[in-house]
Amino acid sequence: QVTLKESGPGILQPSQTLSLTCTFSGFSLSTYGMGVGWIRQPSGKGLEWLANIWWDDDKYYNPSLKNRLTISKDTSNNQAFLKITNVDTADTATYYCARIGSILRIRSCNWFAYWGQGTLVTVSS
Amino acid sequence: DIQMTQSPASLSASLGETVTIECLASEDIYSNLAWYQQKPGKSPQLLIYDASSLQDGVPSRFSGSESGTQYSLEINSLQSEDAATYFCQQHHDYPPTFGAGTKLELK
Repeated sequence: QVTLKESGPGILQPSQTLSLTCTFSGFSLSTYGMGVGWIRQPSGKGLEWLANIWWDDDKYYNPSLKNRLTISKDTSNNQAFLKITNVDTADTATYYCARIGSILRIRSCNWFAYWGQGTLVTVSS
Repeated sequence: DIQMTQSPASLSASLGETVTIECLASEDIYSNLAWYQQKPGKSPQLLIYDASSLQDGVPSRFSGSESGTQYSLEINSLQSEDAATYFCQQHHDYPPTFGAGTKLELK
């Protein structure tokens, strides 16, 4: 059974760095072809993909935020991480981590088959 | 980035009816389209990938189709539990992009 769970600070101030953790089970990020992504959703709005990390530590970022994003992983502890620097109120959202759908499409722009419950992050002074 | 234009933004239907939600891609995405269902306060759940492949465990009343750059999600025999917001996502090229969503309400 695949599960993912996000954790984060809940609230932080503008200009701070947001650090998010995704703890997962039921698969390994050391498996050839495996990948995990981060997606966010402001309340009542649509979904925005942020970044993917792959089993071989290859990384893909959304160009609109690339300079502010850092994705990483800890394979031995089944965790993935996302950092967003210099946050603003526009970064207030629920942040999801998700596992890619197909390990056969190596590093492809994949769909997301399993999602965590999400963690709400509020940026406010 | 590939733009996904989803319509309608909302719709209301009765139990047992059939509804169709559409997504128009700004360029050819070669059937690389997924559909998700999201209920209030919950995370999105995958319904369909590759335009028409049903994810394991998803009821067969959900189906996907395509015509050129237009993609459709059809829900047959609406059930009460189908009330949700539905999103499309292209998985052809980075960055993956989503439609704005369609809120389905049951009368």
